[in-house]
Amino acid sequence: AQSVTQLGSHVSVSEGALVLLRCNYSSSVPPYLFWYVQYPNQGLQLLLKYTSAATLVKGINGFEAEFKKSETSFHLTKPSAHMSDAAEYFCVAAINQGGKLIFGQGTELSVKP
Amino acid sequence: DTGVSQNPRHKITKRGQNVTFRCDPISEHNRLYWYRQTLGQGPEFLTYFQNEAQLEKSRLLSDRFSAERPKGSFSTLEIQRTEQGDSAMYLCASSFPLGRAETQYFGPGTRLLVL
Repeated sequence: AQSVTQLGSHVSVSEGALVLLRCNYSSSVPPYLFWYVQYPNQGLQLLLKYTSAATLVKGINGFEAEFKKSETSFHLTKPSAHMSDAAEYFCVAAINQGGKLIFGQGTELSVKP
Repeated sequence: DTGVSQNPRHKITKRGQNVTFRCDPISEHNRLYWYRQTLGQGPEFLTYFQNEAQLEKSRLLSDRFSAERPKGSFSTLEIQRTEQGDSAMYLCASSFPLGRAETQYFGPGTRLLVL
């Protein structure tokens, strides 16, 4: 069965510091992978998605993620955190083009001034 | 605003009552999904429609839950005889097949509290 594991339910960084949110997937076939963000009292918004076209994926708001098949990982990074980045981040996988998404448990990112 | 809309946004009900939620997808999207999100967890898949056909149902969807999508447009999710464990955020998403890794667009959710 496919699953997604996010390491760390809470991550705290200082403004301007590197953001690194870790995600590992387990799947018998390489899945499609996504990162979604959920701001307080708002709906889920797509940050970026991996479609096998390129292993380094750039998303909105300066975020990027690298697909590493050998490590079954899809970690999310941002070089310099901003206060507005404080939110819940979900790593998500899908086996098929359409069909259900499998969510990780989420990582809450806090940004300290 | 042409995003996914859900109504109501909040619902408080007593245990044993029936509730119904509505989701209006983005107009050209033929796929519609329901998910449930409990506190501190990621959303969990409940069911999925392509046009009016319900193609997949999760084991989470007990016989008290039913979803419909008449005419392939809006969808409703009904919970009969609600239980306190049904308290959660119910999310709807829609998508259109555009090739690899189609994006699901989420609505704001309906938060259910069962007393």
